[in-house]
Amino acid sequence: DIVMTQSPDSLAVSLGEGATINCKSSQSVLRSSNNKNHLAWYQQKPGQPPKVLIYWASTRESGVPDRFSGSGSGTDFTLTISSLQAEDVALYYCQQYYSTPYTFGQGTKVEIK
Amino acid sequence: EVQLVESGGGLVQPGGSLRLSCAASGFTFSTYWMHWVRQAPGKGLVWVSHISTDGSVTNYADSVKGRFTISRDDAENTLYLQMNSLRAEDTAVYYCVRSSWYLNNWGQGTLVTVSS
Repeated sequence: DIVMTQSPDSLAVSLGEGATINCKSSQSVLRSSNNKNHLAWYQQKPGQPPKVLIYWASTRESGVPDRFSGSGSGTDFTLTISSLQAEDVALYYCQQYYSTPYTFGQGTKVEIK
Repeated sequence: EVQLVESGGGLVQPGGSLRLSCAASGFTFSTYWMHWVRQAPGKGLVWVSHISTDGSVTNYADSVKGRFTISRDDAENTLYLQMNSLRAEDTAVYYCVRSSWYLNNWGQGTLVTVSS
């Protein structure tokens, strides 16, 4: 199984400041057949289901604010929130869909400082 | 608008069975792979199972293999999860999810509690 490890487990950021979440996979999730990283980022607010923010490691889902961006390739990935807003307080998960069982990181809690 | 509505959750004793359903609407159900993902109270997300568009391919997490069965009824636009030999550690909110490779649409979830 591919193990997904996120860091940090939590972070507190001032409104308007940037936030960076890292995600490392135990093996590459870059598929040579399509040259795509099979990596997505999800946001989950309390009492709600997760919502996809980023897929193929760097493609923003329709309707997601452009302050959210994803980068990385192979085994190392980053989710960046360029200017934290109050509504961004949530748990964030990375997930690989390269191979079953599809696995998630343990989650990163983002709070306002 | 894509809608996924889960039902069938509840309280069940260890060793018991439960069948979850997910009613899909707002899209052509038969053309999408579908998944179940669960989340224990206060814990992270765990992928449980998926099924291909024609139902010929299914895969399961090791923790549920041999106990859970995923299926679909494209005529009824419904996804199912038959859960047998339930254990306390199966207690979780179970989400029905539509995928286009990544998990792009999630239901609100249904809570399954396994307890005596």
